[in-house]
Amino acid sequence: GAVVSQHPSRVICKSGTSVKIECRSLDFQATTMFWYRQFPKQSLMLMATSNEGSKATYEQGVEKDKFLINHASLTLSTLTVTSAHPEDSSFYICSARDGAAHSNQPQHFGDGTRLSIL
Amino acid sequence: SQKIEQNSEALNIQEGKTATLTCNYTNYSPAYLQWYRQDPGRGPVFLLLIRENEKEKRKERLKVTFDTTLKQSLFHITASQPADSATYLCALGERTGANNLFFGTGTRLTVIP
Repeated sequence: GAVVSQHPSRVICKSGTSVKIECRSLDFQATTMFWYRQFPKQSLMLMATSNEGSKATYEQGVEKDKFLINHASLTLSTLTVTSAHPEDSSFYICSARDGAAHSNQPQHFGDGTRLSIL
Repeated sequence: SQKIEQNSEALNIQEGKTATLTCNYTNYSPAYLQWYRQDPGRGPVFLLLIRENEKEKRKERLKVTFDTTLKQSLFHITASQPADSATYLCALGERTGANNLFFGTGTRLTVIP
């Protein structure tokens, strides 16, 4: 089945550090990837849609200069949390859909990155 | 305002019984609905898709219904097992054709041996 690999799985760093999270589709090409944020006991909140070769589309309230997204190839999207602060601590999850699939087909999720800012 | 509500935050049932989880939505026009399973510290895993013109879908011990009049989907797990214990998320895909999904808050199911 389709596999999405997300790295790192856990990051603990000091306030002010920038953190890069990678999301890779291992056995399919993903023209579109999605970045979500999940707080404890809450649902996944879409942050942005990452489009290969073009700018990401950010959801309302998500600062694009704070959360930099790059989707330079059909198998890799990165999310960089710039100058992270304690309030950025959360569980970040990426997902991807097979580029050849209809939009109603399932998204394949990575295992998430637990970000803790001290 | 738009809302996707899943019945209870937590549901406990006895092994062997049928678990029924509810997903209700407001101010959405979903073209389809998906159900995912999420284990602690992991990403969601896709289980079932049901389209707006479908009433029911089955896969092994899983059954999903979709009632666009009631704006509700029911997710059933028959002959439940302790290994079914997880958080289950419903997700709506709108008719606009956008790629993204809108997720409910999830129901944490615990199957007691």
